[in-house]
Amino acid sequence: ILNVEQSPQSLHVQEGDSTNFTCSFPSSNFYALHWYRWETAKSPEALFVMTLNGDEKKKGRISATLNTKEGYSYLYIKGSQPEDSATYLCAFNNQGGKLIFGQGTELSVKP
Amino acid sequence: DAGITQSPRHKVTETGTPVTLRCHQTENHRYMYWYRQDPGHGLRLIHYSYGVKDTDKGEVSDGYSVSRSKTEDFLLTLESATSSQTSVYFCAISEWGAGKSYNEQFFGPGTRLTVL
Repeated sequence: ILNVEQSPQSLHVQEGDSTNFTCSFPSSNFYALHWYRWETAKSPEALFVMTLNGDEKKKGRISATLNTKEGYSYLYIKGSQPEDSATYLCAFNNQGGKLIFGQGTELSVKP
Repeated sequence: DAGITQSPRHKVTETGTPVTLRCHQTENHRYMYWYRQDPGHGLRLIHYSYGVKDTDKGEVSDGYSVSRSKTEDFLLTLESATSSQTSVYFCAISEWGAGKSYNEQFFGPGTRLTVL
């Protein structure tokens, strides 16, 4: 069984703080790494898909980096806002097409 | 948003009763998936389908069965519900393999199932 680990499990920050969290995954059989944003009572929503070592993706205040050789990805949020409060999920996409999800990082941003 | 609906959205049932959850898509995607989401576990794959009548097991398939008689519908059945199957169930769809190099999945709104 492949392990995909996310840390921390939860994070509480103040509005305006910048924050980051980690997704660790196996460095073998890698095809892609997905980040999803999941708000309570809604569907998980795709943020980024990264496929190449060294990839950096950005969407507004949220960005992500990828290191496939050491098996980790970072998600950064600059100047957190209360609407960023959500669970952020990463998923390892192996070469067989299966997605293996981490347990998520629950972010709470206080005004 | 991808056209994915799930029904029912909420259900409370008793141990031992059969339960069927429905996922319906309007995107004509080949692949459909059922996941369960539990605290501390992220999303875990129950079963998936790669075409009409073509299904396979995921990592937590015990106690669940699926059927796909039409491209647009994927049913998840709990033959005899147990309290350990209390969870939030998500359906997902993807076009993996149809010119896509990675498996980007789109999720439905979820079904919250409580087994008493």
